[in-house]
Amino acid sequence: EPEVTQTPSHQVTQMGQEVILRCVPISNHLYFYWYRQILGQKVEFLVSFYNNEISEKSEIFDDQFSVERPDGSNFTLKIRSTKLEDSAMYFCASSLGQGRANVLTFGAGSRLTVL
Amino acid sequence: AQSVTQLDSHVSVSEGTPVLLRCNYSSSYSPSLFWYVQHPNKGLQLLLKYTSAATLVKGINGFEAEFKKSETSFHLTKPSAHMSDAAEYFCVVSLLSGGYQKVTFGTGTKLQVIP
Repeated sequence: EPEVTQTPSHQVTQMGQEVILRCVPISNHLYFYWYRQILGQKVEFLVSFYNNEISEKSEIFDDQFSVERPDGSNFTLKIRSTKLEDSAMYFCASSLGQGRANVLTFGAGSRLTVL
Repeated sequence: AQSVTQLDSHVSVSEGTPVLLRCNYSSSYSPSLFWYVQHPNKGLQLLLKYTSAATLVKGINGFEAEFKKSETSFHLTKPSAHMSDAAEYFCVVSLLSGGYQKVTFGTGTKLQVIP
């Protein structure tokens, strides 16, 4: 069964450092998403991406965050200058379409720890 | 606006007994509803989905859920719990809004299965 692949599975970084989380969505999917889950809290929407541009973003997704699809297969989330509160599990997801029946397929997540 | 409420943060059952995880939703229009499961240190796996067809939906691993519009509920059930069912379960509501799928997660229910 097709999978969404995320790397790294766990990254530890110092506050203020830049971090790039990588995702390989399912190959024929057109819509891409990032979500995050702070430990003990609910899964929160960050951003959705379609046709090489951001289609929607939450208030969490401020200027410190950016997304890119550099080569047609990878979908990356960059955090420019990490803060302690960015420590979370980050999930990438993709979907074929946007209709009612379209299901988001999630990756296994990348755990980010900011020290 | 849409929201989803998972009434129990923790549920504990004995192996072989029924499982009931409760979910209520709020949505202006007919939503799509999903249950995802997250095993420790793993990603989010789709268990089942409701997208306006049959109101009783069967999923993987013996789980099923019934969409009850009058009660705005989408409770997850399983007749007999197995040790491998111990995980966190998320009820998710999705609504097509402005051409894009808006997905909202519940806060999750941790299921403990006692041998």
